[in-house]
Amino acid sequence: SYELTQPSSVSVSPGQTARITCSGDVLAKKYARWFQQKPGQAPVLVIYKDSERPSGIPERFSGSSSGTTVTLTISGAQVEDEADYYCYSATDNNLRVFGTGTKVTVL
Amino acid sequence: EVQLVESGGSLVQPGRSLRLSCTASGFTYGDYAMSWVRQAPGKGLEWVGFIRSKAYGGTTEYAASVKGRFTISRDDSKSIAYLQMNSLKTEDTAVYYCTRDPCDYWGQGTLVTVSS
Repeated sequence: SYELTQPSSVSVSPGQTARITCSGDVLAKKYARWFQQKPGQAPVLVIYKDSERPSGIPERFSGSSSGTTVTLTISGAQVEDEADYYCYSATDNNLRVFGTGTKVTVL
Repeated sequence: EVQLVESGGSLVQPGRSLRLSCTASGFTYGDYAMSWVRQAPGKGLEWVGFIRSKAYGGTTEYAASVKGRFTISRDDSKSIAYLQMNSLKTEDTAVYYCTRDPCDYWGQGTLVTVSS
């Protein structure tokens, strides 16, 4: 199937580590991307090729992959990291799919 | 600096058509595929479709939810991507984003409201 499943919400205290998972069959064969979206703003790419970080993205954001699951880790979460996060990948038949989205709360 | 600016969003009645535009700058537009992504109010991101660069045939792919109703095209001479939306339904109401494929840069979005 072409679904990417994420937890609906994750809570973390400032300075602690948040982990967001994304699961789907396509992830065993395709790279994933992660996007951060704050209220009223367009999404921003924070991870590509499972674990690569674009320039300008803080080092506390990292990604990993294992089988059909990819994970976005925010190490030492900051209040400004509070946002919705979406994974994204390609499918076998050249389509694209977004994950269901995770609301990260830092408090 | 890469910039993507969408335009054309508006209030439209069910069954009618609407065309969105995405004007790109700051990169060699013809070298890249361009995608459209939408977000219904209070909901998650939904991939709509994309158009490949001319080097890859300029062909298109669409999500099942819009296939047959929406058409993506491009004008490389003007650095513009288009999303032609026909037979609009209330469930097409969303902010529509243009992105440089595979979504490394995004526009600010344009709101399409389908309502009678």
